[in-house]
Amino acid sequence: KQEVTQIPAALSVPEGENLVLNCSFTDSAIYNLQWFRQDPGKGLTSLLLIQSSQREQTSGRLNASLDKSSGRSTLYIAASQPGDSATYLCAVKGTNAGKSTFGDGTTLTVKP
Amino acid sequence: DAMVIQNPRYQVTQFGKPVTLSCSQTLNHNVMYWYQQKSSQAPKLLFHYYDKDFNNEADTPDNFQSRRPNTSFCFLDIRSPGLGDAAMYLCATSTPGQGTGEKLFFGSGTQLSVL
Repeated sequence: KQEVTQIPAALSVPEGENLVLNCSFTDSAIYNLQWFRQDPGKGLTSLLLIQSSQREQTSGRLNASLDKSSGRSTLYIAASQPGDSATYLCAVKGTNAGKSTFGDGTTLTVKP
Repeated sequence: DAMVIQNPRYQVTQFGKPVTLSCSQTLNHNVMYWYQQKSSQAPKLLFHYYDKDFNNEADTPDNFQSRRPNTSFCFLDIRSPGLGDAAMYLCATSTPGQGTGEKLFFGSGTQLSVL
């Protein structure tokens, strides 16, 4: 059974800092990995999707990497802004029945 | 814009009173999912439809049911809500034909309170 872990559970940084969020998974047989942002009381907004054959994806100030062999993905946020404050979740889509397993998320606070 | 729409945004029901949450999509995606998310926890898959084929998760309580009358709409019925069913309910869609590029698209969620 796939298990997805996100550490730390919470992170607070000053504005302008570069930061890395971590996502670990136990089963490397994956289709893809998707990073989401969730604002309080809202749904999930897709940020980046990395296919199993890819090593990284970039969108603006965000860069996501994938290392299947070690069961890890990172989300790098450059020059953080207060508007980046949210919970970030990763979801791993398995090859078995194609279901996605989510981590509990990392809640990011960027202080002005 | 093509999207996933959930109604209502907030739903208050009484203990034991049946409630229905709705989801519609303009993406024409084959697969629709219902997730339950409690505070500070990962979304938990309840069930999903692949077209009209219903797939229930093994640990989804019988109290939860779903209907998908057509491609665009999907409903979550909670027959007898308990206090433990208070949560955010998230609807999502995807299109399996994209292979490893298959992506999940979420609605804005319905926050359910049980009094």
